[in-house]
Amino acid sequence: GQQVMQIPQYQHVQEGEDFTTYCNSSTTLSNIQWYKQRPGGHPVFLIQLVKSGEVKKQKRLTFQFGEAKKNSSLHITATQTTDVGTYFCVHDGSQGNLIFGKGTKLSVKP
Amino acid sequence: NAGVTQTPKFQVLKTGQSMTLQCAQDMNHNSMYWYRQDPGMGLRLIYYSASEGTTDKGEVPNGYNVSRLNKREFSLRLESAAPSQTSVYFCASLRDRNSYEQYFGPGTRLTVT
Repeated sequence: GQQVMQIPQYQHVQEGEDFTTYCNSSTTLSNIQWYKQRPGGHPVFLIQLVKSGEVKKQKRLTFQFGEAKKNSSLHITATQTTDVGTYFCVHDGSQGNLIFGKGTKLSVKP
Repeated sequence: NAGVTQTPKFQVLKTGQSMTLQCAQDMNHNSMYWYRQDPGMGLRLIYYSASEGTTDKGEVPNGYNVSRLNKREFSLRLESAAPSQTSVYFCASLRDRNSYEQYFGPGTRLTVT
């Protein structure tokens, strides 16, 4: 199926530093979603982006959808230990399922 | 509301044994999904049920069968477990095809020796 590439695979930051993960597709996406999975937990929906160039914010998290709808980013300002987990970009598959990227695993050192 | 529940939470099987993973949702959602997650990977779709009475194969269906017992329940069966099926299995539900937020259960950690 259609894949999205996520970079980096891992990111280690000091608490208070910023963090960004990128998601890239070779084809145009109808929408992009972001999910977070805490260690040992299950994926939890964060947000969906639909419009070209869309930017949405949730407190310290900023989500962006590229103008060509082929890439997206998630930026966290001033990371906290509660931000630890794996962040997945996700898009709709043809079967009504979700196609997950491989994720960016974020660790935060206090 | 409990959301999406899965049983069991953990299971160890020997090669060739069979078992059924149970999933139930109390949100009156139409669509339900089974995914597997392997280390360092995202989630891959095994089977899904777009509505009660229908099931379809996903990306990695080999070695599995499913049953949509009713609107609430969607089970996943391993007929003859293999070590390659060692994984974490997640069930998810979606209100309908016009929705986009999937709700996931807590997962079942399965080890096949």
